[in-house]
Amino acid sequence: DTAVSQTPKYLVTQMGNDKSIKCEQNLGHDTMYWYKQDSKKFLKIMFSYNNKELIINETVPNRFSPKSPDKAHLNLHINSLELGDSAVYFCASSQGGYGGPYEQYFGPGTRLTVT
Amino acid sequence: LAKTTQPISMDSYEGQEVNITCSHNNIATNDYITWYQQFPSQGPRFIIQGYKTKVTNEVASLFIPADRKSSTLSLPRVSLSDTAVYYCLVGDEGGGADGLTFGKGTHLIIQP
Repeated sequence: DTAVSQTPKYLVTQMGNDKSIKCEQNLGHDTMYWYKQDSKKFLKIMFSYNNKELIINETVPNRFSPKSPDKAHLNLHINSLELGDSAVYFCASSQGGYGGPYEQYFGPGTRLTVT
Repeated sequence: LAKTTQPISMDSYEGQEVNITCSHNNIATNDYITWYQQFPSQGPRFIIQGYKTKVTNEVASLFIPADRKSSTLSLPRVSLSDTAVYYCLVGDEGGGADGLTFGKGTHLIIQP
């Protein structure tokens, strides 16, 4: 059983397009996250949701809009894609809290390439 | 803001013990220290977490001195498969993005 799954694994698209990445966790966790890892491998938090409520929004352009239909899902929609959006996006979840001592479980990542 | 500083890279050999130190001079009273491991093309994986003194699990040990301004992840008898990037995080419950800052990590390379 995959604890945290993401779809798609690879996404190649052109500038200006709109795309979505889906994330699901079957761990019963309360908190979910989106991270971006750029070409320099720097892993940076983008958003955090706790019980479907947005908790953390880290200076991410408003072209990025997370949506949490329920506790088990946190999707990421990106409008008007730009070259700089090319990166690997990781979804994660944890039992509780945010920014704290809770073990995070990460998905396999979605490699987004914008051409 | 409890920032962390780690070496960018380290090399070692199979069978050796490897110690990776993380500096967090501004650690707060409620902050925990957490280490993650990341292999290429995979998401990070939790290794170990501690608050003070020493914590040991089946994978690693974490040493935290009394002042908590640093911590050392110890990997006993490493193998080639331990080649990965290791991240040190510091944060408390409800601390927000500060505790979710992975930084650049330490790229550990194990050679035969």
